[in-house]
Amino acid sequence: EPEVTQTPSHQVTQMGQEVILRCVPISNHLYFYWYRQILGQKVEFLVSFYNNEISEKSEIFDDQFSVERPDGSNFTLKIRSTKLEDSAMYFCASRLNPGRTNSPLHFGNGTRLTVT
Amino acid sequence: QKEVEQNSGPLSVPEGAIASLNCTYSDRVSQSFFWYRQYSGKSPELIMSIYSNGDKEDGRFTAQLNKASQYVSLLIRDSQPSDSATYLCAVADDKIIFGKGTRLHILP
Repeated sequence: EPEVTQTPSHQVTQMGQEVILRCVPISNHLYFYWYRQILGQKVEFLVSFYNNEISEKSEIFDDQFSVERPDGSNFTLKIRSTKLEDSAMYFCASRLNPGRTNSPLHFGNGTRLTVT
Repeated sequence: QKEVEQNSGPLSVPEGAIASLNCTYSDRVSQSFFWYRQYSGKSPELIMSIYSNGDKEDGRFTAQLNKASQYVSLLIRDSQPSDSATYLCAVADDKIIFGKGTRLHILP
């Protein structure tokens, strides 16, 4: 079964450094998402991406965050200057088409980001 | 602000019994509803989806939807220790919003 893949599985970085989290969505899916989950808390929506542009973003997704689909397969999340509170598990997800009712999110295994 | 509410638990259920998980949502126009299971340190995995009022059964799992009451539930029959996890209710329109999850503990 096709799956969403994320790399790396664990990233440790120092405060103020830039990080790029990478994802390869399922190939025929049209919508791509980033979610984050701080340890012990809920899965929070960050951003959705369709047709090479952001379709919606949350309050969390401030100017420090950006997303890009640099080629036909990769989908990246960049955090420009990391803060301690960015430490979380970041999940990439893809979805065939939100306009169809049977279109759940398919998650990658996540990248655990630790900011020291 | 769209909200999805779940009791955080933990909900303890004896092995073999029925586990009942509940969820309410705030946005009346939501069309699709999902239940995900999340083991500690892992990503959410889809258990059930439901779009129409009523019940939907898949193996040991039954999802129930009542749009008038803005209520979704998940029943797990013949609970197994491997069902011990956090169950996330998710509500969808263009994006999918998750509840905080209910921790389920199946007692051997």
